[in-house]
Amino acid sequence: AQTVTQSQPEMSVQEAETVTLSCTYDTSENNYYLFWYKQPPSRQMILVIRQEAYKQQNATENRFSVNFQKAAKSFSLKISDSQLGDTAMYFCAFMKHETSGTYKYIFGTGTRLKVLA
Amino acid sequence: NAGVMQNPRHLVRRRGQEARLRCSPMKGHSHVYWYRQLPEEGLKFMVYLQKENIIDESGMPKERFSAEFPKEGPSILRIQQVVRGDSAAYFCASSLRTSGISYEQYFGPGTRLTVT
Repeated sequence: AQTVTQSQPEMSVQEAETVTLSCTYDTSENNYYLFWYKQPPSRQMILVIRQEAYKQQNATENRFSVNFQKAAKSFSLKISDSQLGDTAMYFCAFMKHETSGTYKYIFGTGTRLKVLA
Repeated sequence: NAGVMQNPRHLVRRRGQEARLRCSPMKGHSHVYWYRQLPEEGLKFMVYLQKENIIDESGMPKERFSAEFPKEGPSILRIQQVVRGDSAAYFCASSLRTSGISYEQYFGPGTRLTVT
């Protein structure tokens, strides 16, 4: 079974600085997808960035980028120029196509990020 | 284009009562997923439905929980005889298809169920 591990329960960063959130996963699959979601206090799940495992190039979305190391099964999120609005829980998630036809997310336990003024 | 709608946003039930949670997927989406988030945890998959069909319910507790997605109307997650351990946030997500680039799921705002 696939597992997703986020080893940093809490992190803090000064406004305008850069922070990296760690995520490792375990799978025997070759084709899968990885995601980072942000959950602010409103509890809404907001997609931050996605990565297809078959793509070697690391995904970037404005201030957010990932370091995808397929062999090491690592998928870290880098937030540059941190802003107060980035304060939230961040969840790493894994998805693959199941034999049942399902695509379901497997989430890590989250990292609580606080951006300090 | 409205996003995924869930109601109610907050639901309080006494032990032994029934809870009904509703989810309207995004327009054009025919695939619905339910996830449960216990306090201080990540979301856990419960069930995947297409119109009038349950495709994968491997994450659903065997008793008291059921889900449906009728031909017309929202998807319903039903919890009978609620217990305190059912207190959680329940999220619905929808997707357009299950292949290619349309695998991504869009989440609703969640329903927070409190059992007293």
